[in-house]
Amino acid sequence: NAGVTQTPKFRVLKTGQSMTLLCAQDMNHEYMYWYRQDPGMGLRLIHYSVGEGTTAKGEVPDGYNVSRLKKQNFLLGLESAAPSQTSVYFCAGSRRGFEQYFGPGTRLTVT
Amino acid sequence: GQQLNQSPQSMFIQEGEDVSMNCTSSSIFNTWLWYKQDPGEGPVLLIALYKAGELTSNGRLTAQFGITRKDSFLNISASIPSDVGIYFCAGRFMNRDDKIIFGKGTRLHILP
Repeated sequence: NAGVTQTPKFRVLKTGQSMTLLCAQDMNHEYMYWYRQDPGMGLRLIHYSVGEGTTAKGEVPDGYNVSRLKKQNFLLGLESAAPSQTSVYFCAGSRRGFEQYFGPGTRLTVT
Repeated sequence: GQQLNQSPQSMFIQEGEDVSMNCTSSSIFNTWLWYKQDPGEGPVLLIALYKAGELTSNGRLTAQFGITRKDSFLNISASIPSDVGIYFCAGRFMNRDDKIIFGKGTRLHILP
Protein backbone atom coordinates (compact mmCIF):
# COMPACT_ATOMS: atom_id res chain seq x y z
CA ASN A 1 0.00 0.00 0.00
CA ALA A 2 1.24 3.49 -0.84
CA GLY A 3 -0.74 5.06 2.01
CA VAL A 4 -1.35 8.77 1.49
CA THR A 5 0.49 10.32 -1.45
CA GLN A 6 0.70 13.93 -2.62
CA THR A 7 1.50 15.41 -6.01
CA PRO A 8 3.59 17.45 -6.69
CA LYS A 9 6.32 17.49 -4.02
CA PHE A 10 7.52 20.99 -4.88
CA ARG A 11 6.10 23.85 -6.90
CA VAL A 12 6.94 27.47 -7.57
CA LEU A 13 4.13 29.74 -8.75
CA LYS A 14 3.95 33.38 -9.72
CA THR A 15 1.36 35.60 -8.07
CA GLY A 16 -1.99 35.17 -9.79
CA GLN A 17 -1.30 31.73 -11.23
CA SER A 18 -3.52 28.79 -10.42
CA MET A 19 -2.71 25.21 -9.52
CA THR A 20 -4.19 22.03 -8.10
CA LEU A 21 -2.62 19.81 -5.49
CA LEU A 22 -3.62 16.16 -5.59
CA CYS A 23 -3.94 13.86 -2.61
CA ALA A 24 -4.54 10.16 -3.14
CA GLN A 25 -5.04 7.41 -0.59
CA ASP A 26 -5.41 3.65 -0.84
CA MET A 27 -6.32 3.10 2.82
CA ASN A 28 -10.11 3.32 2.33
CA HIS A 29 -10.24 6.47 4.45
CA GLU A 30 -13.65 8.06 4.69
CA TYR A 31 -12.31 11.40 5.92
CA MET A 32 -9.67 13.48 4.18
CA TYR A 33 -8.05 16.79 5.13
CA TRP A 34 -5.86 19.56 3.78
CA TYR A 35 -3.59 21.44 6.19
CA ARG A 36 -0.99 24.11 5.77
CA GLN A 37 2.10 24.34 7.93
CA ASP A 38 3.95 27.59 8.48
CA PRO A 39 6.92 28.18 10.80
CA GLY A 40 5.77 28.51 14.40
CA MET A 41 2.10 28.05 13.47
CA GLY A 42 1.66 24.31 13.68
CA LEU A 43 -0.86 22.67 11.36
CA ARG A 44 -3.90 24.66 10.34
CA LEU A 45 -6.90 23.03 8.71
CA ILE A 46 -7.87 24.48 5.31
CA HIS A 47 -10.74 22.24 4.15
CA TYR A 48 -11.84 18.72 4.83
CA SER A 49 -14.21 16.05 3.61
CA VAL A 50 -16.20 13.46 5.55
CA GLY A 51 -17.02 11.39 2.49
CA GLU A 52 -17.15 11.26 -1.27
CA GLY A 53 -18.92 14.29 -2.67
CA THR A 54 -18.74 16.30 0.58
CA THR A 55 -16.47 19.17 1.61
CA ALA A 56 -16.36 21.58 4.54
CA LYS A 57 -14.36 24.64 5.55
CA GLY A 58 -11.65 24.48 8.14
CA GLU A 59 -9.83 27.20 10.03
CA VAL A 60 -8.17 28.98 7.07
CA PRO A 61 -10.26 28.29 3.91
CA ASP A 62 -9.97 31.65 2.13
CA GLY A 63 -8.21 31.50 -1.24
CA TYR A 64 -8.61 27.73 -1.57
CA ASN A 65 -11.18 25.37 -3.04
CA VAL A 66 -11.46 21.61 -2.79
CA SER A 67 -13.23 18.72 -4.44
CA ARG A 68 -13.78 15.08 -3.49
CA LEU A 69 -15.31 13.45 -6.56
CA LYS A 70 -13.84 10.04 -5.73
CA LYS A 71 -13.34 8.58 -2.27
CA GLN A 72 -9.64 8.02 -2.82
CA ASN A 73 -8.79 11.52 -4.09
CA PHE A 74 -8.98 14.96 -2.50
CA LEU A 75 -7.96 17.98 -4.60
CA LEU A 76 -6.89 21.38 -3.29
CA GLY A 77 -7.07 24.29 -5.72
CA LEU A 78 -5.57 27.74 -5.64
CA GLU A 79 -7.38 29.91 -8.17
CA SER A 80 -5.13 32.97 -7.93
CA ALA A 81 -2.02 32.32 -5.88
CA ALA A 82 -0.71 34.94 -3.45
CA PRO A 83 2.64 35.14 -1.63
CA SER A 84 0.76 34.54 1.65
CA GLN A 85 0.00 31.05 0.36
CA THR A 86 3.67 30.11 0.40
CA SER A 87 3.66 27.16 2.76
CA VAL A 88 4.01 23.42 3.13
CA TYR A 89 0.70 21.66 2.43
CA PHE A 90 -0.18 18.34 4.00
CA CYS A 91 -2.98 16.01 3.15
CA ALA A 92 -4.27 13.50 5.69
CA GLY A 93 -6.77 10.68 5.70
CA SER A 94 -8.67 8.98 8.47
CA ARG A 95 -11.27 6.30 8.99
CA ARG A 96 -12.79 7.96 12.03
CA GLY A 97 -11.78 11.61 11.82
CA PHE A 98 -9.22 11.76 14.58
CA GLU A 99 -6.45 9.18 13.96
CA GLN A 100 -5.17 10.93 10.89
CA TYR A 101 -2.45 9.63 8.58
CA PHE A 102 -0.44 12.22 6.70
CA GLY A 103 1.14 12.41 3.27
CA PRO A 104 4.72 13.61 2.73
CA GLY A 105 3.76 17.21 1.94
CA THR A 106 3.94 19.68 -0.94
CA ARG A 107 6.25 22.65 -0.61
CA LEU A 108 4.73 25.62 -2.46
CA THR A 109 6.44 28.93 -3.06
CA VAL A 110 4.53 31.87 -4.53
CA THR A 111 6.73 34.68 -5.85
CA GLY B 1 -10.82 30.31 18.00
CA GLN B 2 -10.03 27.20 20.00
CA GLN B 3 -6.39 26.78 20.94
CA LEU B 4 -4.06 24.18 22.26
CA ASN B 5 -1.13 25.50 24.26
CA GLN B 6 1.86 23.26 23.83
CA SER B 7 5.01 23.70 25.87
CA PRO B 8 7.87 24.07 25.74
CA GLN B 9 8.26 25.46 22.20
CA SER B 10 11.73 23.94 21.96
CA MET B 11 14.05 21.83 24.07
CA PHE B 12 17.76 21.16 24.01
CA ILE B 13 18.75 18.03 25.88
CA GLN B 14 21.67 15.65 26.17
CA GLU B 15 21.42 12.22 24.63
CA GLY B 16 20.20 9.77 27.26
CA GLU B 17 18.11 12.29 29.16
CA ASP B 18 14.38 11.97 29.72
CA VAL B 19 12.02 14.46 28.07
CA SER B 20 8.65 15.78 29.15
CA MET B 21 6.29 18.02 27.19
CA ASN B 22 2.64 18.90 27.62
CA CYS B 23 -0.45 20.35 26.08
CA THR B 24 -3.30 22.27 27.69
CA SER B 25 -6.64 23.48 26.40
CA SER B 26 -9.47 25.67 27.61
CA SER B 27 -11.87 23.08 26.17
CA ILE B 28 -12.63 19.50 27.13
CA PHE B 29 -11.42 16.89 24.69
CA ASN B 30 -12.58 13.34 24.02
CA THR B 31 -9.34 12.26 22.42
CA TRP B 32 -5.73 13.34 22.70
CA LEU B 33 -3.18 12.42 20.06
CA TRP B 34 0.57 12.82 19.87
CA TYR B 35 2.40 13.07 16.55
CA LYS B 36 6.05 13.34 15.57
CA GLN B 37 7.33 15.10 12.46
CA ASP B 38 10.78 14.43 11.07
CA PRO B 39 12.40 17.12 8.90
CA GLY B 40 10.89 17.19 5.41
CA GLU B 41 8.20 14.63 6.20
CA GLY B 42 4.59 14.51 7.28
CA PRO B 43 3.56 13.98 10.92
CA VAL B 44 3.34 10.39 12.13
CA LEU B 45 0.91 9.27 14.82
CA LEU B 46 2.71 8.08 17.97
CA ILE B 47 0.03 7.60 20.59
CA ALA B 48 -3.75 8.01 20.80
CA LEU B 49 -5.58 8.44 24.14
CA TYR B 50 -9.33 8.00 24.52
CA LYS B 51 -10.21 8.11 28.22
CA ALA B 52 -9.52 10.56 31.03
CA GLY B 53 -6.65 9.24 33.16
CA GLU B 54 -5.49 6.83 30.46
CA LEU B 55 -1.76 6.17 30.38
CA THR B 56 -0.39 4.59 27.21
CA SER B 57 3.13 3.60 26.19
CA ASN B 58 4.77 3.07 22.83
CA GLY B 59 8.32 1.88 23.41
CA ARG B 60 10.19 4.64 25.23
CA LEU B 61 7.25 7.01 24.83
CA THR B 62 4.52 7.39 27.43
CA ALA B 63 1.52 9.69 27.16
CA GLN B 64 -1.32 10.46 29.57
CA PHE B 65 -4.82 11.87 29.13
CA GLY B 66 -5.33 14.35 31.98
CA ILE B 67 -8.09 13.80 34.52
CA THR B 68 -9.67 17.18 33.74
CA ARG B 69 -9.73 16.22 30.01
CA LYS B 70 -8.09 19.56 29.28
CA ASP B 71 -4.48 18.43 29.23
CA SER B 72 -2.08 15.71 28.15
CA PHE B 73 1.62 15.06 28.48
CA LEU B 74 4.21 13.07 26.57
CA ASN B 75 7.36 11.63 28.12
CA ILE B 76 10.32 10.20 26.25
CA SER B 77 12.77 8.14 28.27
CA ALA B 78 16.49 7.75 27.55
CA SER B 79 16.48 9.98 24.46
CA ILE B 80 18.43 8.94 21.37
CA PRO B 81 19.46 10.97 18.29
CA SER B 82 16.52 9.76 16.17
CA ASP B 83 14.11 11.36 18.67
CA VAL B 84 14.99 14.73 17.12
CA GLY B 85 11.99 16.35 15.45
CA ILE B 86 8.82 18.28 16.17
CA TYR B 87 6.22 16.75 18.47
CA PHE B 88 2.61 17.85 18.08
CA CYS B 89 -0.30 17.27 20.34
CA ALA B 90 -3.81 17.22 18.89
CA GLY B 91 -7.23 17.05 20.47
CA ARG B 92 -10.74 16.08 19.42
CA PHE B 93 -13.67 18.04 20.80
CA MET B 94 -16.59 16.29 22.39
CA ASN B 95 -19.30 15.40 19.89
CA ARG B 96 -17.04 16.16 16.94
CA ASP B 97 -15.95 13.10 15.04
CA ASP B 98 -14.85 14.94 11.95
CA LYS B 99 -11.76 16.92 12.92
CA ILE B 100 -9.04 17.66 15.43
CA ILE B 101 -6.93 20.71 16.28
CA PHE B 102 -3.18 20.78 16.65
CA GLY B 103 -0.80 22.48 19.04
CA LYS B 104 2.06 24.49 17.59
CA GLY B 105 4.61 21.82 18.38
CA THR B 106 7.64 21.21 20.58
CA ARG B 107 10.93 21.09 18.67
CA LEU B 108 13.32 18.62 20.29
CA HIS B 109 17.07 19.03 19.81
CA ILE B 110 19.53 16.46 21.13
CA LEU B 111 23.08 17.42 21.92
CA PRO B 112 25.74 14.75 21.42
